[in-house]
Amino acid sequence: GNSVTQMEGPVTLSEEAFLTINCTYTATGYPSLFWYVQYPGEGLQLLLKATKADDKGSNKGFEATYRKETTSFHLEKGSVQVSDSAVYFCALSLTGGGADGLTFGKGTHLIIQP
Amino acid sequence: DARVTQTPRHKVTEMGQEVTMRCQPILGHNTVFWYRQTMMQGLELLAYFRNRAPLDDSGMPKDRFSAEMPDATLATLKIQPSEPRDSAVYFCASGLVGGGREQETQYFGPGTRLLVL
Repeated sequence: GNSVTQMEGPVTLSEEAFLTINCTYTATGYPSLFWYVQYPGEGLQLLLKATKADDKGSNKGFEATYRKETTSFHLEKGSVQVSDSAVYFCALSLTGGGADGLTFGKGTHLIIQP
Repeated sequence: DARVTQTPRHKVTEMGQEVTMRCQPILGHNTVFWYRQTMMQGLELLAYFRNRAPLDDSGMPKDRFSAEMPDATLATLKIQPSEPRDSAVYFCASGLVGGGREQETQYFGPGTRLLVL
């Protein structure tokens, strides 16, 4: 079956630090990969996506590259802000993401201290 | 600014009561998903619909849960009877099939936070 594994949290960083959240996957087909972010009390917002190998998704200073050889989609940001504090979910879909259900990782709680 | 809306946002009920959660997908989207989020299990897909027809409800406990789409602007998730283990946040999401992988995305509502006492 399909599964997503991401690093457990919480991850606590100081403002302006470099961020990496690891994500690896197993899939029965050729997946699209996603990072969603959830702020306290809110729903999930799409942060970025990549639909084929070597694609890089980017948004709001966050980046992730689809690595088929290592089945990974690690999230990075060069300089985090307090406002980045949230829970981050890695996910996969066997389509583009609109046609079938997403398989999510457990989520990584990120805390940025001033 | 098109959004998925869900009602109610919060629901507290007693064990054995019926619970109905409602979702209004983004206008024009043809696929609607229901997910459940708990601390123990994380985010799980319960069911989803395409053009109002159920495509997959394998994630849903069949004996007490039911999901429907009475029309294109309304999806419902019903629990009868509710149990304390149903306490969770229930998310609805909608998406549009077509246009290829780059164009497809799921958009999530704010969720219904359910507590069954």
